[in-house]
Amino acid sequence: DVKVTQSSRYLVKRTGEKVFLECVQDMDHENMFWYRQDPGLGLRLIYFSYDVKMKEKGDIPEGYSVSREKKERFSLILESASTNQTSMYLCASSFVGGKYGYTFGSGTRLTVV
Amino acid sequence: AQRVTQPEKLLSVFKGAPVELKCNYSYSGSPELFWYVQYSRQRLQLLLRHISRESIKGFTADLNKGETSFHLKKPFAQEEDSAMYYCALSGFGNEKLTFGTGTRLTIIP
Repeated sequence: DVKVTQSSRYLVKRTGEKVFLECVQDMDHENMFWYRQDPGLGLRLIYFSYDVKMKEKGDIPEGYSVSREKKERFSLILESASTNQTSMYLCASSFVGGKYGYTFGSGTRLTVV
Repeated sequence: AQRVTQPEKLLSVFKGAPVELKCNYSYSGSPELFWYVQYSRQRLQLLLRHISRESIKGFTADLNKGETSFHLKKPFAQEEDSAMYYCALSGFGNEKLTFGTGTRLTIIP
């Protein structure tokens, strides 16, 4: 019963490429989030969205953009991939208020060479 | 600004011994605290929330506003508790979760 699905488990891209990471949730959650997970740094918020076409910057938005055209789908875009964007990317979703916690996807491990 | 500190990157405990994973936070308002767990090759999942005062898999956590702490405890560790644990905070009315850097717990048989 997968509820938050990330389209790719592993990706390898070249420096300078435009990269799209896709996330789909089937729980009718209003909020969706993109984090990156790095050893020793924990999870850091890149962007989040609380409604269709709405977005807010997180703590580390530089080099990233997002798109939310439909409630169930939230895309993370790396406009020009760089090696320092090699990381594990986690998508999550939640109801408004977030007090019931987030549901996470299984992650996309992106390597930029 | 909101901040979560997990002082231990690694913690090893013998099976059957008590476990305590430390979490301290910084937030000027009324926080909501969570513990998340990630088992090997599994996705990150919610373990417990302070507002529900629940015990999940034998783990409990008490919010201490005086010490700004939310330590995770279990009286008797089990091998299946080996995992990565993250403490997280959201502010009242704030949709964003701020995570700590995580503690990798290893239970020694």
